[in-house]
Amino acid sequence: QKEVEQNSGPLSVPEGAIASLNCTYSDRGSQSFFWYRQYSGKSPELIMFIYSNGDKEDGRFTAQLNKASQYVSLLIRDSQPSDSATYLCAGGGGNTGKLIFGQGTTLQVKP
Amino acid sequence: EAGVAQSPRYKIIEKRQSVAFWCNPISGHATLYWYQQILGQGPKLLIQFQNNGVVDDSQLPKDRFSAERLKGVDSTLKIQPAKLEDSAVYLCASSSRAPGPTLGTQYFGPGTRLTVL
Repeated sequence: QKEVEQNSGPLSVPEGAIASLNCTYSDRGSQSFFWYRQYSGKSPELIMFIYSNGDKEDGRFTAQLNKASQYVSLLIRDSQPSDSATYLCAGGGGNTGKLIFGQGTTLQVKP
Repeated sequence: EAGVAQSPRYKIIEKRQSVAFWCNPISGHATLYWYQQILGQGPKLLIQFQNNGVVDDSQLPKDRFSAERLKGVDSTLKIQPAKLEDSAVYLCASSSRAPGPTLGTQYFGPGTRLTVL
């Protein structure tokens, strides 16, 4: 069973701090990893994706991928209350490119 | 560019009734996905289409769920008969890239919230 695991949280950080969200995956064939943000009652929206080992930065967000450890993370710098949401990690690839989602981590940014 | 459209947004039915959801993907996107998201969980893929062909339906409960994508554009997901455990949000997503090892970004529609009583 191919799985993507996330701590459901909630992860609580003060405003302005760095939030660190983590994800592990079981399928070594996965090549693409995505971070989606989902506000309560809304659909997932893409934050960023990463294919290669190392770091990828986009504004306040940095995704990190370590394929040897089967580990993906998302760092949010200067966290804002508007960042409070559930963050979904998803991995995919293989013959069909099926995307498998983790259960999501709820982030709470306190003013 | 218009996003993924879904309807209805909300549906309440009694168990054993049937229900259908409609999805219109982003124009030009050949790959279409239907997901089921139960409260507190991540989305679970039900079925994946490439144009009007099925790529993956391994997690679709085929005794009660069916889906089609005629003409390779719009898609319909049907549940018949519905069970209490089908209460969830049904998300449609589309991608411009064909399925394979390196995935294209999936864009999600607003979802349909189904409540089965």
